[in-house]
Amino acid sequence: NAGVTQTPKFRVLKTGQSMTLLCAQDMNHEYMYWYRQDPGMGLRLIHYSVGEGTTAKGEVPDGYNVSRLKKQNFLLGLESAAPSQTSVYFCASRPKKTGGSHWNTGELFFGEGSRLTVL
Amino acid sequence: AQSVTQPDIHITVSEGASLELRCNYSYGATPYLFWYVQSPGQGLQLLLKYFSGDTLVQGIKGFEAEFKRSQSSFNLRKPSVHWSDAAEYFCAVGPGPNAGGTSYGKLTFGQGTILTVHP
Repeated sequence: NAGVTQTPKFRVLKTGQSMTLLCAQDMNHEYMYWYRQDPGMGLRLIHYSVGEGTTAKGEVPDGYNVSRLKKQNFLLGLESAAPSQTSVYFCASRPKKTGGSHWNTGELFFGEGSRLTVL
Repeated sequence: AQSVTQPDIHITVSEGASLELRCNYSYGATPYLFWYVQSPGQGLQLLLKYFSGDTLVQGIKGFEAEFKRSQSSFNLRKPSVHWSDAAEYFCAVGPGPNAGGTSYGKLTFGQGTILTVHP
């Protein structure tokens, strides 16, 4: 099973360039998330989506845009990259909690990460 | 607002020694709690989770964690560390069963603890 797949795995950009990170999940999960990981700061939530066609801001949304046109895909865009956006980006997903059953206890399923360097 | 604190940025232990990684959280209701591990260049793997019941939970790779509500802590332990345990460890808190509909499963992560294992 593929689970959560992120592309590309590595990318180097120049300041001002744009790019899109793609996250794809094959688990039919409703909720999807984009986090960034920086040394000493753990993971911080950028944007998230609770279903197809819906997105919302997380803790550090500035400089990023997202789209969820299909349930299985969650795209993270940088319109004008800045050196402060040099980071490792992780996509995650989870099913929507239903009925309070313990089969779904809220853990996130992560992709392997995308390392972005902005020069 | 929810928060997670991992007081130790870096811990070094000898192989075979016992290990305890600290995690303190702040959350307005009963949370779900998680420990994730990240090996160098890899994504995050779930070690264990607490969602209800017994406050001592067992995870993969011989790890366990104890939920102490009175201390708002969820410390990770292992009786005998192996060299392959060297990695970065993240504690995370998320909405529990009474969180309500707008939490959308968002997890808040601690800053991470880097574990180095000496032979």
